[in-house]
Amino acid sequence: DAGVTQSPTHLIKTRGQQVTLRCSPKSGHDTVSWYQQALGQGPQFIFQYYEEEERQRGNFPDRFSGHQFPNYSSELNVNALLLGDSALYLCASSAYSGGNGEQYFGPGTRLTVT
Amino acid sequence: SQQGEEDPQALSIQEGENATMNCSYKTSINNLQWYRQNSGRGLVHLILIRSNEREKHSGRLRVTLDTSKKSSSLLITASRAADTASYFCATDAWNTDKLIFGTGTRLQVFP
Repeated sequence: DAGVTQSPTHLIKTRGQQVTLRCSPKSGHDTVSWYQQALGQGPQFIFQYYEEEERQRGNFPDRFSGHQFPNYSSELNVNALLLGDSALYLCASSAYSGGNGEQYFGPGTRLTVT
Repeated sequence: SQQGEEDPQALSIQEGENATMNCSYKTSINNLQWYRQNSGRGLVHLILIRSNEREKHSGRLRVTLDTSKKSSSLLITASRAADTASYFCATDAWNTDKLIFGTGTRLQVFP
């Protein structure tokens, strides 16, 4: 049973560029959430997707956008990258109905903006 | 913004000792989850406790929840060097399943 997978593992971008991160949820899960974790901090909620729509959003600017595909996989897009966007980006999946609230995380994508 | 804080921020113990870390949060919750993170990698789900539960066990882990004090504790018994990691609590409020994390406790277990 495959867990949550994310790609790529590491990414280096330059300020002003755009980046796309990808996530495949755990088998049987239909909801994907994205988190940003700065060094030495706890993860912070970016947004959540269910049924291909954004259900909830944290305090992140519109430069952060996402998408969910019919197979429940998801993408996180960040435009006009800033140095402060350097962080570990984590994807979590869960089951919207019938789930017990547990969210399972992928290994993360380490984004470095120079 | 962070929901709350873990205490202590860092903890160093010897193998075989017990490790206790605490978590405080600010708003009413549906459930509280504890996660482990090794060296900036992904989070590993340890245990979930619901707001109507007071104590839960899983192997060497014991979690308590006091909703009146808005606090939880994680006890790791008979610690091992492999338990060295950062530990986070995360809460989700009623009618929302976005997780709000604390600041984490860095646990170091010396062999």
